Amino acid sequence: DIVVTQSPDSLAVSLGERATINCKSSHSVLYSSNNKNYLAWYQQKPGQPPKLLIYWASTRGSGVPDRFSGSGSGTDFTLTINSLQAEDVAVYYCQQHYSTPQTFGQGTKLEIK
Amino acid sequence: QVQLVQSGADVKKPGASVKVSCKASGNSFTSYIIHWVRQAPGQSLEWMGWINAGNGDTKFSQRFQGRVTITSDASAGTAYMELSSLRSEDTAVYYCARGPNGDYSWFDPWGQGTLVTVSS
Repeated sequence: DIVVTQSPDSLAVSLGERATINCKSSHSVLYSSNNKNYLAWYQQKPGQPPKLLIYWASTRGSGVPDRFSGSGSGTDFTLTINSLQAEDVAVYYCQQHYSTPQTFGQGTKLEIK
Repeated sequence: QVQLVQSGADVKKPGASVKVSCKASGNSFTSYIIHWVRQAPGQSLEWMGWINAGNGDTKFSQRFQGRVTITSDASAGTAYMELSSLRSEDTAVYYCARGPNGDYSWFDPWGQGTLVTVSS
């Protein structure tokens, strides 16, 4: 199974500032035939199901604000949240969708400083 | 926009089975791939398996092979996940979610989740 590791486990960022969360996979998730990275990001608020933010490493899901962006390739990826809003407080997960079983990172808890 | 509505919370004894349902809105149920993902208290997410609601094909994580059954009823627009031989470690919120395909899939949208508690 591909192991997905996030860093940091938690971070606190001031309102209006940028938050950066990293995700590393134990195997490349770049599919050479279409040059796409099979990596997704989710946001989960307390008591709610996860919400898709990003798939294919950098494609925003439907209705996701453009302050959320994904980057990276191969084994190293980043979720960036620009101009942090109060409603962005949540746990963020990355997930590789390159191979079965699809696996998730351990989560990163984002708080307001 | 498809919505997934799951059955309510359940409490089971060790060794029992639980069956969770996931009803999809809309008229395109047979075009859906429904995945099941669980989340133990305070933990991350764990993919369990998927079903192609159109042809009934299924695939499971090896971790649950032999214990999980995923089925669907097109007439009811509903998918089901049954987990048997329950143990305390199976206490978790179980989610259904739609994927664009079976393998290589992200998940969107998700059901609201069903808490299954395994306790004697």
